[in-house]
Amino acid sequence: DQQVKQNSPSLSVQEGRISILNCDYTNSMFDYFLWYKKYPAEGPTFLISISSIKDKNEDGRFTVFLNKSAKHLSLHIVPSQPGDSAVYFCAATFSNSGYALNFGKGTSLLVTP
Amino acid sequence: DTEVTQTPKHLVMGMTNKKSLKCEQHMGHRAMYWYKQKAKKPPELMFVYSYEKLSINESVPSRFSPECPNSSLLNLHLHALQPEDSALYLCASSQGIQFLTGELFFGEGSRLTVL
Repeated sequence: DQQVKQNSPSLSVQEGRISILNCDYTNSMFDYFLWYKKYPAEGPTFLISISSIKDKNEDGRFTVFLNKSAKHLSLHIVPSQPGDSAVYFCAATFSNSGYALNFGKGTSLLVTP
Repeated sequence: DTEVTQTPKHLVMGMTNKKSLKCEQHMGHRAMYWYKQKAKKPPELMFVYSYEKLSINESVPSRFSPECPNSSLLNLHLHALQPEDSALYLCASSQGIQFLTGELFFGEGSRLTVL
């Protein structure tokens, strides 16, 4: 049973615009959330994380928003660049057992020039 | 050095073969992981080693046998695999198994095909 869901398999955005990737989770006990980016033929790369005590975390062009009541998080990329084209995985876990990452199926982002 | 190195990158084996996947990191991380990823699916946790001891085995069949010879190396020994075991096997490491101390660093993966 998928506890982390990314309902959009793909997303296409024009360079310079905002990319918004969404993620929903079902287990209210998750308290730590991460986004990974994956290029073809490479392993996932950590991008940004957020603890459930926060509702926003920002790192450069990347911002993650967490809405605990809706069990929803989103990743905003502003401005989007062609090099951002990759598959983005949302993951959720319990901060006291961080190894148990529950991944979503990923969203393939294509940023067009 | 922020790399997790996996070898081989590609492996084709028959169902009666015995082979091993290898993973190495030199970041001083004390937790290492094996994940399995099938096409169009998210990575699934298989094993977790913490301070070279097996902490978690996510009900993985015994035809997969992990080994952690030292804090920098993690092996996955394969024997009598089935075609459905064909997948990308990802190794990862972190400073510890508590995520607040750091994040997972993944290797590029070993793509396994079982004939």
